[in-house]
Amino acid sequence: GNSVTQMEGPVTLSEEAFLTINCTYTATGYPSLFWYVQYPGEGLQLLLKATKADDKGSNKGFEATYRKETTSFHLEKGSVQVSDSAVYFCALSPNQAGTALIFGKGTTLSVSS
Amino acid sequence: GAVVSQHPSWVICKSGTSVKIECRSLDFQATTMFWYRQFPKQSLMLMATSNEGSKATYEQGVEKDKFLINHASLTLSTLTVTSAHPEDSSFYICSATRSEKYNEQFFGPGTRLTVL
Repeated sequence: GNSVTQMEGPVTLSEEAFLTINCTYTATGYPSLFWYVQYPGEGLQLLLKATKADDKGSNKGFEATYRKETTSFHLEKGSVQVSDSAVYFCALSPNQAGTALIFGKGTTLSVSS
Repeated sequence: GAVVSQHPSWVICKSGTSVKIECRSLDFQATTMFWYRQFPKQSLMLMATSNEGSKATYEQGVEKDKFLINHASLTLSTLTVTSAHPEDSSFYICSATRSEKYNEQFFGPGTRLTVL
């Protein structure tokens, strides 16, 4: 079956620190992978995505590379800001019409100045 | 493009009443819409999948008579929480996909339901 595993949070960092949030997946076939961000009291926003192996998604300084050999899609940012404080969700799409995304449990990031 | 709206953004109701939440795709036709529920500090739990003109498919453990879903058009799906109780209080989020990009979901901003 398909599943997503994210590292447990919360993650607490100082401003300008390096961020890594681990995400691994199991899937049949060739999924697409996503990172979503949720700010307090808001819905989900797509942060970045990758649709095939070795693709790198990037946005707002965040990056993640689709690694088929390690079934991973780790999220990284070189220098976090206080405004990055949010909950981050790794998700997988089985790439089948009418099939919902499968989400990890989410990782809370808290950045202090 | 690919904007999804939800209405209302928050609602407070009395126990025993019914609440309707609308999910609209504003600039595209959504072949499939999904309804999720999110408890505080938890992930999204898929409740049901709805396709325009057909009955929704509910996930295991979700009461179809409690959470009525209607997908009347390619741009509108509604979720009605019937006879709401305090344990139904939650954040409800919808998402939609387009037929030509079914591996990408576009999320609404969510509806906060509080049942007193």
